Amino acid sequence: EAQVTQNPRYLITVTGKKLTVTCSQNMNHEYMSWYRQDPGLGLRQIYYSMNVEVTDKGDVPEGYKVSRKEKRNFPLILESPSPNQTSLYFCASMPTWEGSNTEAFFGQGTRLTVV
Amino acid sequence: DAKTTQPTSMDCAEGRAANLPCNHSTISGNEYVYWYRQIHSQGPQYIIHGLKNNETNEMASLIITEDRKSSTLILPHATLRDTAVYYCIVRVAGTYKYIFGTGTRLKVLA
Repeated sequence: EAQVTQNPRYLITVTGKKLTVTCSQNMNHEYMSWYRQDPGLGLRQIYYSMNVEVTDKGDVPEGYKVSRKEKRNFPLILESPSPNQTSLYFCASMPTWEGSNTEAFFGQGTRLTVV
Repeated sequence: DAKTTQPTSMDCAEGRAANLPCNHSTISGNEYVYWYRQIHSQGPQYIIHGLKNNETNEMASLIITEDRKSSTLILPHATLRDTAVYYCIVRVAGTYKYIFGTGTRLKVLA
């Protein structure tokens, strides 16, 4: 089954304690992306990756890092989490082959609370 | 970047067609219109997309006006499980970025 898997689904952590949210896709997609969703603001893009070792900032990258060492994995790293990073996070992937206009696949979300 | 405008919320009776409008008056000629929905706080789910012609799949129909400035998503026989937030999105030309608005909260009533 084609899917994007995020872990953990729920996480409560304390300010300043480094954490990683993992994202893995089994569709051999080149493009992967992280979004955060906050009430009244919709989904906003944090970082994206066009392929292995190619990453770039989205609209709200401050306080986050990513890496893309393998095509299937795109972890989101919070080096020093702060309460304003409390949010619902989604990972997404899609293919980028020439002429593709297909859809993005989203993970089930990670609800992060920073206290 | 093209932006979209959608009503904040809509109600629809179960079994009736749900027609969700979207305005994208600044869309460029090579930008596609995509529709996604989000049930509760799950990950957004793809519904349908189109460029200029009307499209239909097993979930919905997409009607795009001739000038491409607006579109309508049609759920032909809405069920309670179609209660969700529906996002109309224009794909940024030459990239793979989605710009999400706040969508339309559709409530299907029994």
